[in-house]
Amino acid sequence: AQSVTQPDIHITVSEGASLELRCNYSYGATPYLFWYVQSPGQGLQLLLKYFSGDTLVQGIKGFEAEFKRSQSSFNLRKPSVHWSDAAEYFCAVGEGSGGYNKLIFGAGTRLAVHP
Amino acid sequence: DAMVIQNPRYQVTQFGKPVTLSCSQTLNHNVMYWYQQKSSQAPKLLFHYYDKDFNNEADTPDNFQSRRPNTSFCFLDIRSPGLGDAAMYLCATSSLRDRERGETQYFGPGTRLLVL
Repeated sequence: AQSVTQPDIHITVSEGASLELRCNYSYGATPYLFWYVQSPGQGLQLLLKYFSGDTLVQGIKGFEAEFKRSQSSFNLRKPSVHWSDAAEYFCAVGEGSGGYNKLIFGAGTRLAVHP
Repeated sequence: DAMVIQNPRYQVTQFGKPVTLSCSQTLNHNVMYWYQQKSSQAPKLLFHYYDKDFNNEADTPDNFQSRRPNTSFCFLDIRSPGLGDAAMYLCATSSLRDRERGETQYFGPGTRLLVL
C-alpha cells in the first residue's frame, strides 16, 4: 500500500536559519508529490508539487523541494526561515490511475520558529 | 477570487443529533472531496464526488453521508454524531482537466466540529 513517512514530528529552528523537512514515500509508479502547509485552525495551502520533469521544484513563500527517486524522498527546504513559517507541514502522495488523485498524507511535521 | 468556502467554521452539536456541514466552490471543479482530520493527525479521505458519481472510502463509517446537488455545492451529513467524530472536516476540490499537470486539490478552511 502507498504510504508517506515524515520522520520528524516536531522541529524547532531559529529565525533566519535554514530548514529541511524530510518526506519519504512508498509508491509503485511515478508519484505525484505534494507539500501542504496548515496554520493553526486553518485549511491546507499548497506549497509546491512534483509530477514530472525537473526534480527540483520551486514553490511559494521561498520553499523548494527535491524529488529523489533513488531515495524515495521529497524533502522540503527553505534557506532562511521566517517567524511566519511556524505551522504544520504535510507531505502527500497522489494515488490514482488516470482519474482523481486520492491524497495519502504523512503524519505531518510541526515547525516552531524561535526569534 | 476563486475559492473553496466552508460553513460554518465552527459547529457544536449534541451526541446523536444529526449535523450537516457545507462546502461550496467557485472554481468550477468537477471533483469534490471530504476529509476528516482529528487533532494532531493527518487528513483522512472520507469520500469524494466525481461530477455526480459518489465514491466512498472502504473504511468510512455508515454514519457519514454526502450530497452534491450541483457542481458548486457539496454537503457532509453526520447522521448520529459520536464523541469520536469531533474533528476538523476539510473540503477540497480538483479538476481532472489539470490531470496532466499533476492534479492539485484545493482546500477550504475547514469546519471544526465539537460533539457534546
